[in-house]
Amino acid sequence: DQQVKQNSPSLSVQEGRISILNCDYTNSMFDYFLWYKKYPAEGPTFLISISSIKDKNEDGRFTVFLNKSAKHLSLHIVPSQPGDSAVYFCAASANHNAGNMLTFGGGTRLMVKP
Amino acid sequence: SAVISQKPSRDICQRGTSLTIQCQVDSQVTMMFWYRQQPGQSLTLIATANQGSEATYESGFVIDKFPISRPNLTFSTLTVSNMSPEDSSIYLCSVRDLNTEAFFGQGTRLTVV
Repeated sequence: DQQVKQNSPSLSVQEGRISILNCDYTNSMFDYFLWYKKYPAEGPTFLISISSIKDKNEDGRFTVFLNKSAKHLSLHIVPSQPGDSAVYFCAASANHNAGNMLTFGGGTRLMVKP
Repeated sequence: SAVISQKPSRDICQRGTSLTIQCQVDSQVTMMFWYRQQPGQSLTLIATANQGSEATYESGFVIDKFPISRPNLTFSTLTVSNMSPEDSSIYLCSVRDLNTEAFFGQGTRLTVV
């Protein structure tokens, strides 16, 4: 049973446009959500996170939106750049303050075309 | 943030042999995690390794196959034992302390032939 799902395995966007990556979850105990970016031959790199008490968190070109009632979060990248091309994973944890494990979605491969 | 050195970065191994992957962190951390990423798949947690206690394994993973050591707060090893081609994956070490994000090593790409 996949508790965190990313239904789009890939996404192609033109440089300068907005990239929207989506993620759905089923476990209502999740209280912290994160996005990671992964290049080939590298480990995942933390991008941005959001606590369940918020519905939006912004950091530069990256914004994460959380809709708890829909159990849905999304990552917006604007403007998209070719260097953003990578695989993006959303992740969730329950009882974040205890440092608990992360549950990952299947990933979305983003391709930003020049 | 934590800087994690993981080695080897890649290896090609014969079936039936074992490989030990090392993970070194530049600071003391309570929790270390080992993940596996099979080709085209997401990251799956193998086990949680806390210093001073036995590792806690997730469903589908057992200590005999994936023994883990955690001798101190900055180091851990994962051994992939009696390997078969199905063990070909990327293995990732991760650290996470209270109220922090999780950080990852660069991964070990294992190919079993």
